[in-house]
Amino acid sequence: DVKVTQSSRYLVKRTGEKVFLECVQDMDHENMFWYRQDPGLGLRLIYFSYDVKMKEKGDIPEGYSVSREKKERFSLILESASTNQTSMYLCASSSNRGSPLHFGNGTRLTVT
Amino acid sequence: AQKVTQAQTEISVVEKEDVTLDCVYETRDTTYYLFWYKQPPSGELVFLIRRNSFDEQNEISGRYSWNFQKSTSSFNFTITASQVVDSAVYFCALIPLNSGGGADGLTFGKGTHLIIQP
Repeated sequence: DVKVTQSSRYLVKRTGEKVFLECVQDMDHENMFWYRQDPGLGLRLIYFSYDVKMKEKGDIPEGYSVSREKKERFSLILESASTNQTSMYLCASSSNRGSPLHFGNGTRLTVT
Repeated sequence: AQKVTQAQTEISVVEKEDVTLDCVYETRDTTYYLFWYKQPPSGELVFLIRRNSFDEQNEISGRYSWNFQKSTSSFNFTITASQVVDSAVYFCALIPLNSGGGADGLTFGKGTHLIIQP
């Protein structure tokens, strides 16, 4: 069974802090994704990666960056956290385009 | 760009009633996949079904069934004899398979919050 693990379930950070959200998958999947989920807006794609050291912008990349140094790990970075980045962040992985995404449990980030 | 619309923000029914969740999509691509996901209160999105754009056969899995109609660009989800455990947010999603560029992730609808009352 595919396991996608997000390092934190809840995080509280202050405005201006640099924040790292970590995600690890154990199924050797090529593709990894970061989404944010907000009430009334559904899931929106921030960044994705289809290979080690490769990254592509999604629909809402502003204010975020990512890192994929190893195949199993995909990190989301908030360079300078702002209150409008308070959200639920969901990591996912898939084996190839069109395959179902497997999601982690999510990280609820609050920026004060 | 593609778009997925779930017009029903919230649906509330009494247990054992049948309920249909609507999903309408837009895409210029001729080949695509459609998905349904369930997000229970625990928060983790659970994959339910994937449908290829070439396969318009309806699918049934226990109390769940899906109706895919290309002519109306719809991929509706019906739960028969609903149960309290079906309470969740349900998302419809799409990914085109022959687009040359753009984001490679799934495009999700905004979700339908289904409440099953005992």
